Amino acid sequence: EPEVTQTPSHQVTQMGQEVILRCVPISNHLYFYWYRQILGQKVEFLVSFYNNEISEKSEIFDDQFSVERPDGSNFTLKIRSTKLEDSAMYFCASSGGLPFRNQPQHFGDGTRLSIL
Amino acid sequence: GENVEQHPSTLSVQEGDSAVIKCTYSDSASNYFPWYKQELGKRPQLIIDIRSNVGEKKDQRIAVTLNKTAKHFSLHITETQPEDSAVYFCAAAGGGGSYIPTFGRGTSLIVHP
Repeated sequence: EPEVTQTPSHQVTQMGQEVILRCVPISNHLYFYWYRQILGQKVEFLVSFYNNEISEKSEIFDDQFSVERPDGSNFTLKIRSTKLEDSAMYFCASSGGLPFRNQPQHFGDGTRLSIL
Repeated sequence: GENVEQHPSTLSVQEGDSAVIKCTYSDSASNYFPWYKQELGKRPQLIIDIRSNVGEKKDQRIAVTLNKTAKHFSLHITETQPEDSAVYFCAAAGGGGSYIPTFGRGTSLIVHP
């Protein structure tokens, strides 16, 4: 069964540095998402991406964050000037269509981001 | 925006017992309700979902019920097994024109052998 893959599995970065988290969505999917999960808390939506542009974003997704689909397969999340509170598990997800139209989201294994 | 409340935060049962996890949502326009299972350190995995035109859906030992009037939905697991131990998240989507699921805070289910 095809899977969403994320790299790296764990990223350790000094506060103030920039990080890029990478995701390869399922190949025929059209909608891409980033979520984060602070340790022990619920999954929080960051951004969705469709047709090469952001379709929806949460209040968490401010100017510090950006997303890009640099080629036909990768979907990246860039976090600039990282802060301690950015430490979390970041999940990428993809879906073939809108989630409530029988097109559920498939999640990757996540990247654990640790800011020191 | 949508607000999803989930209870209980922790649920401990004996193997073979049933487990019920309840969620409420605030936006009456929400029309899609997925449930995810997340094992420790792993990805959330969709286990069952229900749409607002259906009151109940069942898949083997797992069932979900939806009460649109009361704006609540529940996950029922029968004949629980130790491998059911995980964190379960409910979510609601479709309200306010957004298809993005809003997640509940999760329920840690512990099944004792």
